[in-house]
Amino acid sequence: DTGVSQNPRHKITKRGQNVTFRCDPISEHNRLYWYRQTLGQGPEFLTYFQNEAQLEKSRLLSDRFSAERPKGSFSTLEIQRTEQGDSAMYLCASIKQGQQDGYTFGSGTRLTVV
Amino acid sequence: SQKIEQNSEALNIQEGKTATLTCNYTNYSPAYLQWYRQDPGRGPVFLLLIRENEKEKRKERLKVTFDTTLKQSLFHITASQPADSATYLCALVDSSNTGKLIFGQGTTLQVKP
Repeated sequence: DTGVSQNPRHKITKRGQNVTFRCDPISEHNRLYWYRQTLGQGPEFLTYFQNEAQLEKSRLLSDRFSAERPKGSFSTLEIQRTEQGDSAMYLCASIKQGQQDGYTFGSGTRLTVV
Repeated sequence: SQKIEQNSEALNIQEGKTATLTCNYTNYSPAYLQWYRQDPGRGPVFLLLIRENEKEKRKERLKVTFDTTLKQSLFHITASQPADSATYLCALVDSSNTGKLIFGQGTTLQVKP
């Protein structure tokens, strides 16, 4: 297993456009998390999945954001009608439930809204 | 609400010296605390985890302490090298059963040769 994979690495989009990011977690990890990180700050929790079920969403996640994890495998995060304030690094992490260990993060998707 | 604070100012040290980074938390008693390294444009990489019943944890040149009375963790890098230059993030697991991490803002370490 090569770790957590995120695509694309970089995305530049015009304000008002929709964007979708993909995360492929480590295959045996049933928990998957999305975080957002802006410059000079630590990652902030957005949402998480246990298998295919989305169990919690942060209040940071406006109704323009939606996430899915069909069949409990890869996950997608979609942002509709992007705004300049959505510019950030979007990180995905995974872990096996009950495992008291570090989380494995992907390299992130850097979104720039112009 | 749970909160973590790290030194926001960058830490500049000379190669070979020991770097010490601080992490303070409030309104929570975590079962364990984690440290991550993050390089520019990359995701965090897990370094060490320390449990509440452990005072100290070591891994090669890294050492982490955990004082649950002070609500503080210290992260040490001994014999620092320029390759250790990065941002170091402290994180605790949220008190709910979600497993979500709450991160500090990170401390940037610069090791000069």
